[in-house]
Amino acid sequence: GAGVSQSPRYKVAKRGQDVALRCDPISGHVSLFWYQQALGQGPEFLTYFQNEAQLDKSGLPSDRFFAERPEGSVSTLKIQRTQQEDSAVYLCASSLETQYFGPGTRLLVL
Amino acid sequence: QQQVKQSPQSLIVQKGGISIINCAYENTAFDYFPWYQQFPGKGPALLIAIRPDVSEKKEGRFTISFNKSAKQFSLHIMDSQPGDSATYFCAASLRTGNQFYFGTGTSLTVIP
Repeated sequence: GAGVSQSPRYKVAKRGQDVALRCDPISGHVSLFWYQQALGQGPEFLTYFQNEAQLDKSGLPSDRFFAERPEGSVSTLKIQRTQQEDSAVYLCASSLETQYFGPGTRLLVL
Repeated sequence: QQQVKQSPQSLIVQKGGISIINCAYENTAFDYFPWYQQFPGKGPALLIAIRPDVSEKKEGRFTISFNKSAKQFSLHIMDSQPGDSATYFCAASLRTGNQFYFGTGTSLTVIP
């Protein structure tokens, strides 16, 4: 069956630009997570949804980061006024019990 | 503060050898410990996972050893193959369905 998909796979943004990253979870998976993975590091938690409810957003690094999952399926991570330190791979994972990851979106802010 | 500490940072093993990666944690409330494998440009893929009520779990060439009293767990890859060359991450969570706390990763290279 289809796994977690993410788009775009690569995004280059100019500093100050807004970006939107999309995650399509595995069908039927209630839980959805966003992680940020810096080069050479492990993924770090950003936020968590159960269906459409955002239950934990404690990992979002600033108020420039915003995530939504309005219908309990597809989720979008939005970063406003991007900064160079936002450059990273953004991973989405969905789960029933364990977490299955998508391929990630590699964001480069110039 | 790193919730899960992983070592070594990199590892080189001969084909057919045993690869061993170690992780340690502090929070005794963690109750789920997965290992993920990540190839360049790909997302992490679940390899094997264990809960603290067992001391060892084996799936094919992959074994997790878990030492609850020492708060340590390790991944053993038997008969390592060049195709196993990847970055391996340990992780821990308070319970399934919660966020994972990842280690910093181990880059494994298996030489023919």
